[in-house]
Amino acid sequence: ETGVTQTPRHLVMGMTNKKSLKCEQHLGHNAMYWYKQSAKKPLELMFVYNFKEQTENNSVPSRFSPECPNSSHLFLHLHTLQPEDSALYLCASSQVGTGGELFFGEGSRLTVL
Amino acid sequence: AQSVTQPDIHITVSEGASLELRCNYSYGATPYLFWYVQSPGQGLQLLLKYFSGDTLVQGIKGFEAEFKRSQSSFNLRKPSVHWSDAAEYFCAVGALNTGFQKLVFGTGTRLLVSP
Repeated sequence: ETGVTQTPRHLVMGMTNKKSLKCEQHLGHNAMYWYKQSAKKPLELMFVYNFKEQTENNSVPSRFSPECPNSSHLFLHLHTLQPEDSALYLCASSQVGTGGELFFGEGSRLTVL
Repeated sequence: AQSVTQPDIHITVSEGASLELRCNYSYGATPYLFWYVQSPGQGLQLLLKYFSGDTLVQGIKGFEAEFKRSQSSFNLRKPSVHWSDAAEYFCAVGALNTGFQKLVFGTGTRLLVSP
């Protein structure tokens, strides 16, 4: 596989469920990101990990819990979400120090009922 | 604080016609500017970026953008649009002191291509 892979592509969950989104990058990058994309809103940066360490938490509610076990994998654990959390969640990776290009996955479309 | 404005939510262009998508930014220091494209069901892909030097930047897929500091603009252009260019286009600004890791995106412009 190449690039940035996200699973699942679609997820429907109730407000009391616990689920996880997974992201894997095959580009050898050392930084990974979670973005939230909602209709008619700019992309919102949620979390940044550099060399497995979280370097940015953009005031994200604690019902979103990221995990980065190594530089190639990133998870977003979800629990007790709200309907307004329904969105496309995009994972991205980059190589720090090489000029800022982000490589995005295709996203996980989340619907919270 | 940085901000990006893309004033056009939708634009429709005939196939073969020229295209210009507008982007205005607000940033107190030297801006580092990006254009990304998102095809339906896909993630975002970098089209081009401006860091310094020549204010006319060439990108992939025949796109170019011109940085105009006096107008705080970074408009994207293509001389002849193809049906496969139908997608959503995002302008973004980043800062050197964050390693470009905290890009601020605009709300996007959806391009429709008519036959």
